[in-house]
Amino acid sequence: AQKVTQAQTEISVVEKEDVTLDCVYETRDTTYYLFWYKQPPSGELVFLIRRNSFDEQNEISGRYSWNFQKSTSSFNFTITASQVVDSAVYFCALSEARAAGNKLTFGGGTRVLVKP
Amino acid sequence: GAVVSQHPSRVICKSGTSVKIECRSLDFQATTMFWYRQFPKQSLMLMATSNEGSKATYEQGVEKDKFLINHASLTLSTLTVTSAHPEDSSFYICSAPRLHREAFFGQGTRLTVV
Repeated sequence: AQKVTQAQTEISVVEKEDVTLDCVYETRDTTYYLFWYKQPPSGELVFLIRRNSFDEQNEISGRYSWNFQKSTSSFNFTITASQVVDSAVYFCALSEARAAGNKLTFGGGTRVLVKP
Repeated sequence: GAVVSQHPSRVICKSGTSVKIECRSLDFQATTMFWYRQFPKQSLMLMATSNEGSKATYEQGVEKDKFLINHASLTLSTLTVTSAHPEDSSFYICSAPRLHREAFFGQGTRLTVV
């Protein structure tokens, strides 16, 4: 069975600080996809990134960066120079690789509060 | 723009009544759609997989007679919460997968049963 663990339930930072969100996963599949989604107070899910299990390259997109380490089954997410607009709940998720858009197993989510 | 449209975004209903939520894929066909439920301050949990032209597949612990799913066309899946009770109050969100792409999510429906 697949499982995603986000150990941090809530993180509070002051604007411009960096914040790293941890994500650890379990799966028996040899190929799989990992995702990060942002959920602002309005509730919709905003897609941030998809990574397949064969691509361990780290990725940077603006102030966002992701560190995928297959050896430790972790897919951590860092927001650099945080802003108030980054305040949201962030979910890490896992899916089977048969189709990247297949059903997702979500972690518990990490609520990020960025204070001005 | 949105590629999956979900309606309504908010609904308040009386206990004992039924509520229908629609999830529509725009500009693409979705033979499969997923329905998730999210209780306040909790994660999203898959409720069921909606299959066009066949019965939905429900996750363990989800009552199929209470949460009726109909996927009558390649672009529309509906979730009906029958005889709703306050404990059914939750955020319901659908997604439509796309091959080799991330799933597209609807905007979600916040259901409050009073």
